[in-house]
Amino acid sequence: AQRVTQPEKLLSVFKGAPVELKCNYSYSGSPELFWYVQYSRQRLQLLLRHISRESIKGFTADLNKGETSFHLKKPFAQEEDSAMYYCAPATWSYGGATNKLIFGTGTLLAVQP
Amino acid sequence: GAVVSQHPSRVICKSGTSVKIECRSLDFQATTMFWYRQFPKKSLMLMATSNEGSKATYEQGVEKDKFLINHASLTLSTLTVTSAHPEDSSFYICSAATSGYNEQFFGPGTRLTVL
Repeated sequence: AQRVTQPEKLLSVFKGAPVELKCNYSYSGSPELFWYVQYSRQRLQLLLRHISRESIKGFTADLNKGETSFHLKKPFAQEEDSAMYYCAPATWSYGGATNKLIFGTGTLLAVQP
Repeated sequence: GAVVSQHPSRVICKSGTSVKIECRSLDFQATTMFWYRQFPKKSLMLMATSNEGSKATYEQGVEKDKFLINHASLTLSTLTVTSAHPEDSSFYICSAATSGYNEQFFGPGTRLTVL
């Protein structure tokens, strides 16, 4: 079965410190991986996807197929980064035109002033 | 662009009644819509995948007769919780996607409370 693991429920850092949110997945084939973010009282939204290799709000994530990891990183955390972060690989959906996402348990990032 | 709405945002109902939740893509055509359930301080659990004009595909352990899903148009999917019980109380979230694109756009969620 496809699985995604986010080992940390809570990650607390001080403003300006580096951040790394861990994500490991088990998947057969070539996955497409996403990071979604949910700020307080807002809906879930896409932060970044691995195939675009882009940096959004200073966050980057590299797919490491050898370690089956897709850790999210930011060199200098800001208070506005405080939110819930979900790692989500896309997995084939039977009969579907769009692959379904399997969400990790999420990591709450708290950036202290 | 890519806005998804849900209605209602909150609903309280009596045990044994049915509740319908709507999910709409406002500015794009959604070939696929997904329904999730989120328990307090827990992750999103995918309930079912809904493709326009066809029957929904339910995840293992989700009762299809309990959670009726209809995706009659490219902009609307509905989830009906039939004969609701207090254990059905939860936060229900929908998302929408366009064929061939794996990015999902999420609705704001619906808080269901069954008394």
